[in-house]
Amino acid sequence: DVKVTQSSRYLVKRTGEKVFLECVQDMDHENMFWYRQDPGLGLRLIYFSYDVKMKEKGDIPEGYSVSREKKERFSLILESASTNQTSMYLCASSLPPYRAGRNTIYFGEGSWLTVV
Amino acid sequence: AQSVTQLGSHVSVSEGALVLLRCNYSSSVPPYLFWYVQYPNQGLQLLLKYTSAATLVKGINGFEAEFKKSETSFHLTKPSAHMSDAAEYFCAVRGTFQGGSEKLVFGKGTKLTVNP
Repeated sequence: DVKVTQSSRYLVKRTGEKVFLECVQDMDHENMFWYRQDPGLGLRLIYFSYDVKMKEKGDIPEGYSVSREKKERFSLILESASTNQTSMYLCASSLPPYRAGRNTIYFGEGSWLTVV
Repeated sequence: AQSVTQLGSHVSVSEGALVLLRCNYSSSVPPYLFWYVQYPNQGLQLLLKYTSAATLVKGINGFEAEFKKSETSFHLTKPSAHMSDAAEYFCAVRGTFQGGSEKLVFGKGTKLTVNP
């Protein structure tokens, strides 16, 4: 089974802190994603990466950055956390379009971040 | 651009009753469509997907969905609801090709309550 692991399930951080959310997948997937989930808004894509050191902005990248130094690991960084970044963050991974078995995105269990 | 509209943010059914969750999509290319389920405090799990083969798609846990191009719909159904079906359900459509990846565009979700 594909496993996407988010290292922290629950975090409480202070305004202005730098926050790292880590995600690791064990299926050698090229694509990795960070989504944010808020009630009534569904899932919104923050950033994604289709290869090591490659990244693309999603729909709401402001206030976030990402890092992908190794294929299996994709980190989301909040440079200076703010209260409006309190949310559930979901990491996901998938195969690229040119590989068999594509079209399925696998999700981690989510990280609940509270910024106070 | 691709988009998804889920009709009804909350649906309540009795145990044993039909479950119908509505999803309409907009896509400028032949759509790939997905339904995901999220149980409380967990990530998203793929229920089923349509990728241009059979229009009636069967998924896990007794769910199925029918792709209707003329109606631009992909509604999710289950003949008989079970208490364990209580969860939030997300419809998604394959988004535009960006970089090396096809991202998913999600609806805002429908929370299903099953009453005993």
